[in-house]
Amino acid sequence: QVQLQESGPGLVKPSGTLSLTCVVSGASISDVNWWTWVRQTPGKGLEWIGELSYSGYTNYEPSLQSRVTISVDKSKNQFSLRVNSVTAADTAIYFCARASVGRKGLDDWGQGTLVTVSS
Amino acid sequence: DIVMTQSPDSLAVSLGERATINCKSSQSVLFGSNNKDSLVWYQQRPGQPPKRLIYWASTRESGVPDRFSGSGSGTDFTLTISSLQAEDVAVYYCQQYKSFPYTFGQGTRLEIK
Repeated sequence: QVQLQESGPGLVKPSGTLSLTCVVSGASISDVNWWTWVRQTPGKGLEWIGELSYSGYTNYEPSLQSRVTISVDKSKNQFSLRVNSVTAADTAIYFCARASVGRKGLDDWGQGTLVTVSS
Repeated sequence: DIVMTQSPDSLAVSLGERATINCKSSQSVLFGSNNKDSLVWYQQRPGQPPKRLIYWASTRESGVPDRFSGSGSGTDFTLTISSLQAEDVAVYYCQQYKSFPYTFGQGTRLEIK
């Protein structure tokens, strides 16, 4: 079983940058997986943010693409999310997750971390 | 984007009775490379992350009770719980994994009547 754990600031100021890290255990970040970020808000439900493939390719939700970066730190077996120019609309529970081969959706999820955008 | 629409938004079913949740996609989610419908069902209990129940529209995840079943193809899909148990109280989501962005349905809240 692959385990994922999110960490990062729970409060970010408007116009600032949201930065989260997801530590992976039980698998190598270099294994054939797609490392994914999803967020959840009461208003919009679950929203797929983007993914980083084992080979380094990224895909993002088009409406967020100009503000979002997903990156990897292989030495620490972790991947990260950055969202620039945040507003209150970015307040959400952020989940990291893993998708394996076969278009089967998200196999494993972290517990999620609440990020609030407020001054 | 492929829009996923679930119905109903909420559902109350008596213990031991059948629960049925529907999911409709705005276009086919059949993935040509493996000829499978890339439709996933998740269960989210309060305070927990989503948990995958069904993938490829009808393949049950290992360890998921067999009272959970998925059916459908193309654009219309159904999650059925054959005999509702108390621990099945949750919000259920469908998600398409055919094309970016991998969109979710709005969720169906399942409660005990």
